[in-house]
Amino acid sequence: DTAVSQTPKYLVTQMGNDKSIKCEQNLGHDTMYWYKQDSKKFLKIMFSYNNKELIINETVPNRFSPKSPDKAHLNLHINSLELGDSAVYFCASSPNRGRWRNTEAFFGQGTRLTVV
Amino acid sequence: GIQVEQSPPDLILQEGANSTLRCNFSDSVNNLQWFHQNPWGQLINLFYIPSGTKQNGRLSATTVATERYSLLYISSSQTTDSGVYFCAVTSMNYGGSQGNLIFGKGTKLSVKP
Repeated sequence: DTAVSQTPKYLVTQMGNDKSIKCEQNLGHDTMYWYKQDSKKFLKIMFSYNNKELIINETVPNRFSPKSPDKAHLNLHINSLELGDSAVYFCASSPNRGRWRNTEAFFGQGTRLTVV
Repeated sequence: GIQVEQSPPDLILQEGANSTLRCNFSDSVNNLQWFHQNPWGQLINLFYIPSGTKQNGRLSATTVATERYSLLYISSSQTTDSGVYFCAVTSMNYGGSQGNLIFGKGTKLSVKP
């Protein structure tokens, strides 16, 4: 069984469209994340959710809106797609949060988004 | 924010060789992980190692938190070890309460048969 699963794996779409990427984890973790990997392979945090509550939004354009219907799911909706949004998007989850708690994050297989 | 630097950026090995990858970080951390991104793009957890030493088969890792570095050792390398190795940390002073990982730029490893 896949611990963190994302769909779709590949997404090709035209500029201006709206698209969603789904993420589900079956690890019972409290915290979920979205990361973006650019063309140079650099990975950067976008959002962090804990128990369905948004914790962090790292200067991401408001065209990107995460939605967490429950703590096992964190979907990413992107409006008005632009060429620069092309990247690989990774969902992740971790079991704990808190300043003094250690966490180990597990990643989904990634969604390669191509905007044409 | 915290800086994470990995070295070397690129590494080419002959199959069977050993190697050491390094990760330096600029602040105290409460989490450090090593990942392998394989040629298919999957991020695979190798070690969760905020301090100490761990071994898993041909791979081992050591983190010296007080000196702010971690090392990943690969012994008897195989072609399937090829890919990008990432070090990622959670800083106690930057987003640590949220647990979000700050990644280094990775070391690209190519193992030749």
